[in-house]
Amino acid sequence: DGGITQSPKYLFRKEGQNVTLSCEQNLNHDAMYWYRQDPGQGLRLIYYSQIVNDFQKGDIAEGYSVSREKKESFPLTVTSAQKNPTAFYLCASSLLGHGRNSPLHFGNGTRLTVT
Amino acid sequence: DQQVKQNSPSLSVQEGRISILNCDYTNSMFDYFLWYKKYPAEGPTFLISISSIKDKNEDGRFTVFLNKSAKHLSLHIVPSQPGDSAVYFCAASEGSGAGSYQLTFGKGTKLSVIP
Repeated sequence: DGGITQSPKYLFRKEGQNVTLSCEQNLNHDAMYWYRQDPGQGLRLIYYSQIVNDFQKGDIAEGYSVSREKKESFPLTVTSAQKNPTAFYLCASSLLGHGRNSPLHFGNGTRLTVT
Repeated sequence: DQQVKQNSPSLSVQEGRISILNCDYTNSMFDYFLWYKKYPAEGPTFLISISSIKDKNEDGRFTVFLNKSAKHLSLHIVPSQPGDSAVYFCAASEGSGAGSYQLTFGKGTKLSVIP
């Protein structure tokens, strides 16, 4: 059963610690994305990757880092430099760009709480 | 500056009636629009899309209308069912081809369908 797996579902960290969120997909999609959702807000793009070993900054990349060593995996590291890391993080993938034949498929998200 | 606006945070509709969710955009370069549906604690799922060369797209109970001159789109759900209760996000992009990776999302409208 193909899909996107994000783990863990809930994550708690102390301020000043880096934390890595996992995202794995078995849809054979080329493109992968990380979005952030805050209460009452839309989804904002953090980073995206079109192909292995390549990634681009989205609208709010500061304080985050990513890697794309394998097609199936796109982990996101929330660094201590991120001012407001507490949020709901969504990973997504698509065949190429997100166009009409390739809508974004989302994982079920990781809720990160930093205290 | 919000480029995609969903001005109604919530909407309540009786089962069997029509639900109309609205979305406005400011970026005249947007030419591809999508609606996503999100249940609590899950990732958004793609619902329906429309290209700017069309003014209407229909898929079962869901119809999206686009008014380019007014920079406005709407999602109609007829008839509404209790299972339609969810948060609906409007999203837009410049282009829908393989090179389109940036989607701009609205803040969402929470639809409640009352049995």
